Amino acid sequence: QVQLQESGPGLVKPSQTLSLTCSVSGGSINSGSYSWSWIRQPAGEGLEWIGRISTSGSTNYKPSLKSRVTMSVTTSKNEFSLRLSSVTASDTAVYYCTRSSSPHREIEFWGRGILVTVSS
Amino acid sequence: QSVLTQPPSVSGAPGQRVTVSCTGSNSNIGAGYNVQWYRQVPGTAPRLLIFADSSRPSGVPDRFSGSKSGASASLDISDLLPEDEADYYCQSYDSSLSGLIFGGGTKLSVL
Repeated sequence: QVQLQESGPGLVKPSQTLSLTCSVSGGSINSGSYSWSWIRQPAGEGLEWIGRISTSGSTNYKPSLKSRVTMSVTTSKNEFSLRLSSVTASDTAVYYCTRSSSPHREIEFWGRGILVTVSS
Repeated sequence: QSVLTQPPSVSGAPGQRVTVSCTGSNSNIGAGYNVQWYRQVPGTAPRLLIFADSSRPSGVPDRFSGSKSGASASLDISDLLPEDEADYYCQSYDSSLSGLIFGGGTKLSVL
């Protein structure tokens, strides 16, 4: 059974860069043509797709976040990462890492989520 | 504002049936992309309930069913149980955004 685990700072200062890592266990990040996404959810609000990266490193980002988002994959560590620059309070949310079998398909696996608060 | 439109809330009594609607457009549901439904209990990650419009993962009771017509989809929950109280989200893919999209979520209350 594939398991995903988010890690990173729970508090980030405004204007700084949010950096999160998703560790994948129970399977190789390199096997198959999976789509690895980051999704966030502000408190009391809905789900927002941030972007995705394939095992080969190709990316798609939500247009409104594209200028601030960078995703990467480190196959040797079986993990993928999110960097979101110039954060503001509106970036405060629970961030989930997920896996889908393809960019168009359902999200099969979710991490537990990590709360990131943007505050000075 | 979400790309997919869901009612903010629905409610029903135990044993009744409720329907949650999800309306999209010609660049997502109307273009034929699959619709998924997720159930989320506050404080936990969403869980897949329905995929590919109407398929259930193993372990999901057949009280939950999904359908799609044109640019809209629906989730039906029959024989409501108190434990069905949760937030329900629809999800699809949008070709103009080249990414996943979600509905705003619907809170189900079992009265």
